[in-house]
Amino acid sequence: EVQLLESGGGLVQPGGSLRLSCATSGFTFSSYAMSWVRQAPGKGLEWVSGISGSGGSTYYADSVKGRFTTSRDNSKNTLYVQMNSLRAEDTAIYYCAKASRASIAAAQIDYWGQGTLVTVSS
Amino acid sequence: DIQMTQSPSSLSASVGDRVIITCRASQSISSYLNWYQQKPGKAPKLLIYAASSLQSGVPSRFSGSGSGTDFTLIISSLQPEDFATYYCQQSYSTPHTFGQGTKLEIK
Repeated sequence: EVQLLESGGGLVQPGGSLRLSCATSGFTFSSYAMSWVRQAPGKGLEWVSGISGSGGSTYYADSVKGRFTTSRDNSKNTLYVQMNSLRAEDTAIYYCAKASRASIAAAQIDYWGQGTLVTVSS
Repeated sequence: DIQMTQSPSSLSASVGDRVIITCRASQSISSYLNWYQQKPGKAPKLLIYAASSLQSGVPSRFSGSGSGTDFTLIISSLQPEDFATYYCQQSYSTPHTFGQGTKLEIK
């Protein structure tokens, strides 16, 4: 059974940093691209970033480019996102998501974690 | 970035109704279009991928069609568990943008 478990969310001040983790199990982690998708309270889904199965390629939405860094440790089956210079508009539930193939290109998201809430407020 | 526009934004329907949700891309995305269902307080769930392929375990009353810029999600006969918000997403190019969502409510 595929499982994705996010952690690391919480309250952070504007300008601060936070690192989210996503521990996975039930599939060969290195064989699949992964993504982060967020959802602001009461709003729709926003694709944030993606990373290839090897970790060699990363992709970002313009809204987070230069502030967020997505990485993975295939030996630990874990996905990360380092979030710096956080803003109020980054407040959202952050979902870890498994892609259907090793490359992010043309891949759908076939499994989602339950999400972790990040609140940016003073 | 490719913009995805869904219509309608909200929809009231009854059990047994046939429902159609449309999604339009700002440029051609071939058939790289996915549909997700999200219920309150839950993570989204994949329904349809590659415009018309039904994800394993999804009931056959859900179907998708389209290519290029115009796509549809059809629910042939609404069931009580289908009342939710539906999102389209393009996976043609990054960022893999979502539509704004269509909230399907009980009439």
